[in-house]
Amino acid sequence: AQSVAQPEDQVNVAEGNPLTVKCTYSVSGNPYLFWYVQYPNRGLQFLLKYITGDNLVKGSYGFEAEFNKSQTSFHLKKPSALVSDSALYFCAVRGMDSSYKLIFGSGTRLLVRP
Amino acid sequence: GAGVSQTPSNKVTEKGKYVELRCDPISGHTALYWYRQSLGQGPEFLIYFQGTGAADDSGLPNDRFFAVRPEGSVSTLKIQRTERGDSAVYLCASSVSGGGIGELFFGEGSRLTVL
Repeated sequence: AQSVAQPEDQVNVAEGNPLTVKCTYSVSGNPYLFWYVQYPNRGLQFLLKYITGDNLVKGSYGFEAEFNKSQTSFHLKKPSALVSDSALYFCAVRGMDSSYKLIFGSGTRLLVRP
Repeated sequence: GAGVSQTPSNKVTEKGKYVELRCDPISGHTALYWYRQSLGQGPEFLIYFQGTGAADDSGLPNDRFFAVRPEGSVSTLKIQRTERGDSAVYLCASSVSGGGIGELFFGEGSRLTVL
């Protein structure tokens, strides 16, 4: 069965500092991995995805994520956080040999303080 | 419209009533998904359409839930004999094609409250 774990309910970081939001996954076969962001009173928005190729993927708003197969992780990172990055972040996974549904993690709230 | 549109944005109903939630996907998107998000949780998959057919309905919790997409565009999620546990935000998403590797475009959701 597919699953995603986001071990931190909340991450606090000061503006200008680097941020990391953690995600680990479990699938049979190779994974397709995604990050989505949810701002207050807004729908989920796509940030980035890993399908194949380079383990470091770059996405919207300066975010990037590193796929680590041995650790089954796909942590979201940004070198310098902005207050406007404060939002709810969801990691999602789909196994290559499964149906087309994405399985989402429980979400991590990112709070960037000025 | 430019994005995925969901109506109503808010629905309050009484236990036992019937509810319909509508999703209007981005024009030309063949894949359509319904998810349910409870407070403090991530979106939970309900059903996936490719065109007019439900390609995967394994996430529907029971036979009170049903969804249709008769012309391959607008979809309606139907909930019969609503229960308080059905209270959640129901999210619709569409993507250009199936295959499960494309970006999903989400609507803002329909918040259902069952009293």
